[in-house]
Amino acid sequence: DQQVKQNSPSLSVQEGRISILNCDYTNSMFDYFLWYKKYPAEGPTFLISISSIKDKNEDGRFTVFLNKSAKHLSLHIVPSQPGDSAVYFCAATPTQGGSEKLVFGKGTKLTVNP
Amino acid sequence: NAGVMQNPRHLVRRRGQEARLRCSPMKGHSHVYWYRQLPEEGLKFMVYLQKENIIDESGMPKERFSAEFPKEGPSILRIQQVVRGDSAAYFCASSPLALTPYIFNEQFFGPGTRLTVL
Repeated sequence: DQQVKQNSPSLSVQEGRISILNCDYTNSMFDYFLWYKKYPAEGPTFLISISSIKDKNEDGRFTVFLNKSAKHLSLHIVPSQPGDSAVYFCAATPTQGGSEKLVFGKGTKLTVNP
Repeated sequence: NAGVMQNPRHLVRRRGQEARLRCSPMKGHSHVYWYRQLPEEGLKFMVYLQKENIIDESGMPKERFSAEFPKEGPSILRIQQVVRGDSAAYFCASSPLALTPYIFNEQFFGPGTRLTVL
């Protein structure tokens, strides 16, 4: 059972335009959500996160939106740059329970064309 | 201020051999997590350890896999009698001691060990 779903395996965007990456989850216990960026042959790098008590978090060009009723979150990158080309993973975790294990989606490969 | 270190970066084993993957957490971090990424998949949680303790091993296969994080030295993920299906990228992450309950502590990932079983 896939608790975190990224339904778009890939996305191609023109430089300067907005990139929107989507993520859906099914587990109501998840209350903290993260986006990681991954380049080939490297480990994931933390990008931005959001707690379930918020519906938006912004950090520079990156904004994450959370719709709890729809169990949906999205990452907006604007303006997109060629260096943003990478695989983006959505992850979720329940902060209660003590484990802090992350549940990842399968990732979306973003290509930003110059 | 080195990040999470993993070695080896690449490991080739024949079926039936043992694989040992090492992870040195960031300085000052006392929590270690192991994740596995199969081809075309996301990362999947395997085990969460603190020094000398396994906190959560719910993602670890019941047989052939074991993990430890001794008082001194790196964390070790050990796979006995490897099979082709064990071929994957294994990532280690570390986080600092939780100062406040119910606040998520960011996990910092290492570069991974790519295990190939022939």
